[in-house]
Amino acid sequence: AAGVIQSPRHLIKEKRETATLKCYPIPRHDTVYWYQQGPGQDPQFLISFYEKMQSDKGSIPDRFSAQQFSDYHSELNMSSLELGDSALYFCASSRGAKETQYFGPGTRLLVL
Amino acid sequence: AQSVAQPEDQVNVAEGNPLTVKCTYSVSGNPYLFWYVQYPNRGLQFLLKYITGDNLVKGSYGFEAEFNKSQTSFHLKKPSALVSDSALYFCAVRDGSGGYNKLIFGAGTRLAVHP
Repeated sequence: AAGVIQSPRHLIKEKRETATLKCYPIPRHDTVYWYQQGPGQDPQFLISFYEKMQSDKGSIPDRFSAQQFSDYHSELNMSSLELGDSALYFCASSRGAKETQYFGPGTRLLVL
Repeated sequence: AQSVAQPEDQVNVAEGNPLTVKCTYSVSGNPYLFWYVQYPNRGLQFLLKYITGDNLVKGSYGFEAEFNKSQTSFHLKKPSALVSDSALYFCAVRDGSGGYNKLIFGAGTRLAVHP
């Protein structure tokens, strides 16, 4: 079965640089969620989209923005990167806002 | 606010023995509870969920979970552990405030199954 696809899988950036993470949901899934997992921590919700509209917002820094496109894929844009942004970033998708979320493999971001 | 707690950082079990990974929850309204497993350098894999109905929920890879409303618990269980079950397990509750459904995760429990 098709799963959530995230790219890139690994990313190394310098402080103050920008990064763009991409997420391709499971086909026919219309809801996308972004989570951040710091080292040794549990995943923390960042932001979600339902039918291409932002549906909920969590602890996402103002330096980050995201959107969902007409084909339902989503991108997380991160600017002015800080060392503390180093983490594993997960995307999850669901078919409808109340259904089970299925997670992608994550993008590991390292900020030097 | 919705929350879950996993009181054990690590659980050690011998292969072939039953395993239990504990989770307690605090929610307003009906609880929607989930278990996910994370293998090293991998994403979170969905194991099972409780929405309503039978208190014993069966999931993937032989896992099951028992919902106990009076004890506000949702413990993950497996009758016979395998070495390959060794991983990080997360309990989560769906926070439906505002009509949408982000997941709130517990801190995670590392399961180590020894041969």
